Amino acid sequence: DGGITQSPKYLFRKEGQNVTLSCEQNLNHDAMYWYRQDPGQGLRLIYYSQIVNDFQKGDIAEGYSVSREKKESFPLTVTSAQKNPTAFYLCASTRGSLLNQPQHFGDGTRLSIL
Amino acid sequence: DQQVKQNSPSLSVQEGRISILNCDYTNSMFDYFLWYKKYPAEGPTFLISISSIKDKNEDGRFTVFLNKSAKHLSLHIVPSQPGDSAVYFCAASGDQTGANNLFFGTGTRLTVIP
Repeated sequence: DGGITQSPKYLFRKEGQNVTLSCEQNLNHDAMYWYRQDPGQGLRLIYYSQIVNDFQKGDIAEGYSVSREKKESFPLTVTSAQKNPTAFYLCASTRGSLLNQPQHFGDGTRLSIL
Repeated sequence: DQQVKQNSPSLSVQEGRISILNCDYTNSMFDYFLWYKKYPAEGPTFLISISSIKDKNEDGRFTVFLNKSAKHLSLHIVPSQPGDSAVYFCAASGDQTGANNLFFGTGTRLTVIP
C-alpha cells in the first residue's frame, strides 16, 4: 500500500546534538512538508518542498534544516540551534501539481531531550 | 497570529446524537478548507474538504458547511459513534503561493459517550 513512513517513532536528543528525522513516501507526490505539533497547539509548518532540490522555509524554520535530493525522501534535521526541540513532528505530502489537494500525513516522530 | 481558530478545545456528545465542531478563519484569501481527524501518537487523517465555491459538502455521516461572509465553517457528524472520539483539526489554504500550504487550527477533542 502507498503511504508515508516516518522513522523513528521515538527519538531522544542530547544537548548540543543534531538529530535527523526520516520521511519517505511512495505516493509519487511532488510536494512534501514538515510540521511540528506542541501540546494544545495546531500544526505549525517548518519547511516544505514542492519539487526535488528545492525547499522553502515555513513559519518556524529556525534551528531546522532539510534536504530534498530524491522525490521520495524529505529528511528533517533538528540542529543544536533549536533550543526547544521537544515536540511531535509530522511529515506530509501532496500532489503538488494541483491546487486544493489534501495533504496526507505520516504517523509522526516524537522527539524528546535527554 | 492564528489565522484559523477552533475556540472549543473539547466537546462531549452522546452516541447517536449530532456532533458539531466549529472553526473560524481570518484570511479572506483562503479558498479551500479541510477537516482532519487525529488519534494520539498518529498522524492526522484527512476527513472531508470544501472549496470556497460551495457552501456544503457531504460524505456519509460527515458534512462540512462553509459560511464565507462569516468566515466560519463547521463539521457535522451524524450520528456520532464512539469511534469518532478523536481530536479534529480544521485547516485552510489559499495563500496564493501555489504551494498548497495549510494553516491549522488548534484542534477540538471530541468524546462520544456510549
